[in-house]
Amino acid sequence: DVKVTQSSRYLVKRTGEKVFLECVQDMDHENMFWYRQDPGLGLRLIYFSYDVKMKEKGDIPEGYSVSREKKERFSLILESASTNQTSMYLCASSFYRGGSPLHFGNGTRLTVT
Amino acid sequence: AQSVTQPDIHITVSEGASLELRCNYSYGATPYLFWYVQSPGQGLQLLLKYFSGDTLVQGIKGFEAEFKRSQSSFNLRKPSVHWSDAAEYFCAVGAGNAGNMLTFGGGTRLMVKP
Repeated sequence: DVKVTQSSRYLVKRTGEKVFLECVQDMDHENMFWYRQDPGLGLRLIYFSYDVKMKEKGDIPEGYSVSREKKERFSLILESASTNQTSMYLCASSFYRGGSPLHFGNGTRLTVT
Repeated sequence: AQSVTQPDIHITVSEGASLELRCNYSYGATPYLFWYVQSPGQGLQLLLKYFSGDTLVQGIKGFEAEFKRSQSSFNLRKPSVHWSDAAEYFCAVGAGNAGNMLTFGGGTRLMVKP
């Protein structure tokens, strides 16, 4: 079974802090994604990566950056956390591009105070 | 760009009753379509997917969905709901070569009455 592991289930950070959310997958998947989940809005794509050191902006990249130094690890970075970034963050991976299902981690609930 | 609408934010059904969750999508060609389920405190789990071919798709946990091109819909159904089906359900659409770039609907929260 594919396992996507997010390092923290809950995080509380202060406004202005730099925040790192880590995600690791164990199935040698090419593609990795970061989504943000908010009530009523579903999941919105922040960034994705189709290969090591490669990244592409999703629908809501402002205020975020990412890093993919190794195939199995995809990090989301909040350069200067703000209260409007309080949300559930979900990492996902998939094997290939053309319709391969996404496998999700359990999410990190981030609160910025 | 593609979009997905799930018109029902909340649905409550009695245990044993049938269920239909609605999903409408917008996309110019034949899309990839997915239904995911999210239990409390969990990530999303794939229930079923449609790529092409037979428009009635069977999934896990007794769920099925029907792709109707004329209505741009991909509704999820289950003939008899169990209490353990209480969760949030998300419909998603992916497009062609970028099929992994899924666009999700806002979700439908299902509650099951005993």
